[in-house]
Amino acid sequence: EPEVTQTPSHQVTQMGQEVILRCVPISNHLYFYWYRQILGQKVEFLVSFYNNEISEKSEIFDDQFSVERPDGSNFTLKIRSTKLEDSAMYFCASKSGGLRAFFGQGTRLTVV
Amino acid sequence: QKEVEQNSGPLSVPEGAIASLNCTYSDRGSQSFFWYRQYSGKSPELIMSIYSNGDKEDGRFTAQLNKASQYVSLLIRDSQPSDSATYLCAVNLGGGSNYKLTFGKGTLLTVNP
Repeated sequence: EPEVTQTPSHQVTQMGQEVILRCVPISNHLYFYWYRQILGQKVEFLVSFYNNEISEKSEIFDDQFSVERPDGSNFTLKIRSTKLEDSAMYFCASKSGGLRAFFGQGTRLTVV
Repeated sequence: QKEVEQNSGPLSVPEGAIASLNCTYSDRGSQSFFWYRQYSGKSPELIMSIYSNGDKEDGRFTAQLNKASQYVSLLIRDSQPSDSATYLCAVNLGGGSNYKLTFGKGTLLTVNP
């Protein structure tokens, strides 16, 4: 089965630094998403992306966050000036026109 | 505030028994409903999706939806130790490309051999 691939699997960064989380969606998919899950808490929607623009974002997705599809294959989430509370698992998902989205294996971000 | 509520458990059942997982949601406009399984430290894995009132069966899994009661359930028949995981209920307000899922906190299921 095709997979959504995320890199790195674990990222440790110092507070205040910028991080970029990378995702390679399934090749023929058109819709892309980022979710996060703080340890022990719910999976939370961050942003959806279609046709090279954000289609919806949550209140969590403030000016600290940005997304980009720089080269037609990668889909990135940039977090500027990281804070301790940004520590979480970040999941990328993609889908075609159907109703099922496929999740990547996640990137664990640890801010120290 | 759109909420999805689940009993956090843990729910413990013996091997071979039926496990019953429940979920309620607050937004009557919700259109599609999903059950995900999540092993510790792993990503959510889709188990079932359901869009219409009634039951939907797939192998050992049955999803039940009652929109009037704003209630979704998942039954796992002939539970196996490998079913031990956290089960996440997720609700999608929109349809089509809108996959803005609201998740519950999940119910931890333990199947005892």
